[in-house]
Amino acid sequence: GDSVIQMQGQVTLSENDFLFINCTYSTTGYPTLFWYVQYSGEGPQLLLQVTTANNKGSSRGFEATYDKGTTSFHLQKTSVQEIDSAVYYCAMRARNNNNRIFFGDGTQLVVKP
Amino acid sequence: AQTIHQWPVAEIKAVGSPLSLGCTIKGKSSPNLYWYWQATGGTLQQLFYSITVGQVESVVQLNLSASRPKDDQFILSTEKLLLSHSGFYLCAWSLWPGGSQNTLYFGAGTRLSVL
Repeated sequence: GDSVIQMQGQVTLSENDFLFINCTYSTTGYPTLFWYVQYSGEGPQLLLQVTTANNKGSSRGFEATYDKGTTSFHLQKTSVQEIDSAVYYCAMRARNNNNRIFFGDGTQLVVKP
Repeated sequence: AQTIHQWPVAEIKAVGSPLSLGCTIKGKSSPNLYWYWQATGGTLQQLFYSITVGQVESVVQLNLSASRPKDDQFILSTEKLLLSHSGFYLCAWSLWPGGSQNTLYFGAGTRLSVL
């Protein structure tokens, strides 16, 4: 069935560290993959969308790519800042399932000054 | 520009009491509308979605119901709250029903505490 697995529950970094969060997906057809960010007390916001394998999406210093061969997609940022502290969700739109969007469990990013 | 408004911002309710949460979308006609639930520290669980007025599909009910009385309004309700209903309720909309640009845009959410 359609699913998204996000294994990293929490990541703690220092400012200027490199961020890498990985998700794997399962679906038939060609998915559209997303990264959402949720700051404390707010609704999730779309951060990035990637529609084509091996293409990069980028926003606010974050980059996302996905690898169709390994059915994985990841989010990275070269140098995180304290303001990046939030929960990051990977998500997948399943074309063969009424375009329903499936979310991963989220990664809590804590960036220490 | 499209805006999404959820009300109330927060609720504290007693077990067994009724609940009604609302969501209004402005600036977009005939959007897809969604209700999501998020337990404290938990992931996003889709509850309902609606493609058009008067039509609601259930994904996970959790003893809740949803209605779409107007094109721009989505209501989540129950007659008897359970402790397990506590959490963060999020309304969302998307651009094209089932289309290739089905990106979700979320409201600010309603924090519900059931005591």
